[in-house]
Amino acid sequence: DMKVTQMPRYLIKRMGENVLLECGQDMSHETMYWYRQDPGLGLQLIYISYDVDSNSEGDIPKGYRVSRKKREHFSLILDSAKTNQTSVYFCATPGTGSYEQYFGPGTRLTVL
Amino acid sequence: AQSVTQPDARVTVSEGASLQLRCKYSYSGTPYLFWYVQYPRQGLQLLLKYYSGDPVVQGVNGFEAEFIKSNSSFHLRKASVHWSDSAVYFCAVSASSNNRIFFGDGTQLVVKP
Repeated sequence: DMKVTQMPRYLIKRMGENVLLECGQDMSHETMYWYRQDPGLGLQLIYISYDVDSNSEGDIPKGYRVSRKKREHFSLILDSAKTNQTSVYFCATPGTGSYEQYFGPGTRLTVL
Repeated sequence: AQSVTQPDARVTVSEGASLQLRCKYSYSGTPYLFWYVQYPRQGLQLLLKYYSGDPVVQGVNGFEAEFIKSNSSFHLRKASVHWSDSAVYFCAVSASSNNRIFFGDGTQLVVKP
């Protein structure tokens, strides 16, 4: 079964601090995603990565950047975090040869 | 572009009652359709999917959904709900032409004992 891990699970930061969220997958799949989830808004796509160093903006990339140096790992970086970036962040990756996505457990980020 | 509408933000049913959660999608081509479930403080879990063939697809825990192309709908059903089915349910659509899935805003299901 596909396994997606996320670290940390919970994070509290002050406004202006840098934030690093990590995602890992155990199937060396090419494509990975970062989403954020806010109450009543469903999931919003932040970035897509098609492979190592091949990343594309999603629907809400402003204030975020990503890094993918190994196929198994995909990082989301917030430079100088803002209070409106308080949210739950999910990483996902597709199954092999399929269109559905498999999600990690999420990181709950609070920016004070 | 694809989009999904889940018209009911919250549905409350009694345990043992039947359930239908509504979903309508917008996409001009052949869609790939999904239902996901999210329990509190967890990620989304795939409940069922439709790619082609029989328009009624079965999922885990007695859930099923029916693809009705003429109505652009993919409603989720269950014959008899259990209290443990309380969760948020997301309908989603994807296309073969891209790597994206578009999610609805979710329906919170509350099962009363």
